[in-house]
Amino acid sequence: QKEVEQNSGPLSVPEGAIASLNCTYSDRGSQSFFWYRQYSGKSPELIMSIYSNGDKEDGRFTAQLNKASQYVSLLIRDSQPSDSATYLCAGGVLNTGNQFYFGTGTSLTVIP
Amino acid sequence: DTGVSQNPRHKITKRGQNVTFRCDPISEHNRLYWYRQTLGQGPEFLTYFQNEAQLEKSRLLSDRFSAERPKGSFSTLEIQRTEQGDSAMYLCASSFSSTYEQYFGPGTRLTVT
Repeated sequence: QKEVEQNSGPLSVPEGAIASLNCTYSDRGSQSFFWYRQYSGKSPELIMSIYSNGDKEDGRFTAQLNKASQYVSLLIRDSQPSDSATYLCAGGVLNTGNQFYFGTGTSLTVIP
Repeated sequence: DTGVSQNPRHKITKRGQNVTFRCDPISEHNRLYWYRQTLGQGPEFLTYFQNEAQLEKSRLLSDRFSAERPKGSFSTLEIQRTEQGDSAMYLCASSFSSTYEQYFGPGTRLTVT
């Protein structure tokens, strides 16, 4: 079982809709979680970080964390074609490298 | 703040040759990470430094890989006796130790022929 799992997609949504991306993790000791956006051929770009249960909002992005269910999600409101990319979920134990994992990513396409 | 930089951006080498990559982190960041990413996969942890100290290496990392960060600023990653399976994007990231949010450089794409 992978430490961080994502549905690889592809996920397609029309422009202006809400895109919902999901991630589960297996290590109950994981403390910190991040969402990265990666355009084809480019490096990951940090979008959101979340450390506590609940929601965290930043502009059109909302990250949600449920530690009891070991579940992290990212909502993108008013999706734009420029949001089309692969979204990577990452998480793990703070102050570690070997216990910090990236998922394989979910490919999102926003259709104009 | 110029962000994380990596050099070279692309490297083509023949199997068996040694290669070295350089990473310059965001200047205020004291942590530096190296990752490897292959197509369709997320970044895979290789090693990380806090200042000049190498705190962790991947349990799966071959002894052909070595990294240094001699003065706590830039870092180098060397791969000795390259193999075709080493072909990948090598990513460097940096962070503050207090925030854990990692910012990535553009990566070095290695092709071993």
